[in-house]
Amino acid sequence: GDSVTQMEGPVTLSEEAFLTINCTYTATGYPSLFWYVQYPGEGLQLLLKATKADDKGSNKGFEATYRKETTSFHLEKGSVQVSDSAVYFCALSEGFQKLVFGTGTRLLVSP
Amino acid sequence: DAGVTQSPTHLIKTRGQQVTLRCSPKSGHDTVSWYQQALGQGPQFIFQYYEEEERQRGNFPDRFSGHQFPNYSSELNVNALLLGDSALYLCASSLVTATYGYTFGSGTRLTVV
Repeated sequence: GDSVTQMEGPVTLSEEAFLTINCTYTATGYPSLFWYVQYPGEGLQLLLKATKADDKGSNKGFEATYRKETTSFHLEKGSVQVSDSAVYFCALSEGFQKLVFGTGTRLLVSP
Repeated sequence: DAGVTQSPTHLIKTRGQQVTLRCSPKSGHDTVSWYQQALGQGPQFIFQYYEEEERQRGNFPDRFSGHQFPNYSSELNVNALLLGDSALYLCASSLVTATYGYTFGSGTRLTVV
């Protein structure tokens, strides 16, 4: 079945450092790909998405490109802030079906 | 415009009891999905409701059941609670086509003792 694999955390960075969180997926068809963010004590917020190969999703300085050839959707940000500290989930959805999530990557940014 | 509202926010139940969690979808959304998020894990899909019927179901036992009402709100029921049912239960609403993605509530934290 479909699955998502994320790099294990925590990822610890200093403010203004470059961020990469790796995500790869396995799917039978052509899924849509998502990054969600979860702040402490809260639900999930959609950060960005891409619906087809080579699409780039972007939001709040975060970017991810849908790479079909490597089945990847890595999350990047050029300069992280303390307020970016959260848990980040990569997810996929085929058609209008359920979301399949990775296990999450905790990001800790220090001043 | 209210987003997804879940109630209660926290509750504690004893093994063997039954629990009902509630979700009001975002205005304009007609589909509700439920997810279970164990501590330190990603959310796992339980089921999805559309037009008051269960449309899809994940790999969860029949102890987990649900309902959708004509106003699109939804309930998740869990019978014969086990310690392993302790988790954050998330509700997500969307249009049936998921055209604009899914909006998640803040969740209900269930602790089974």
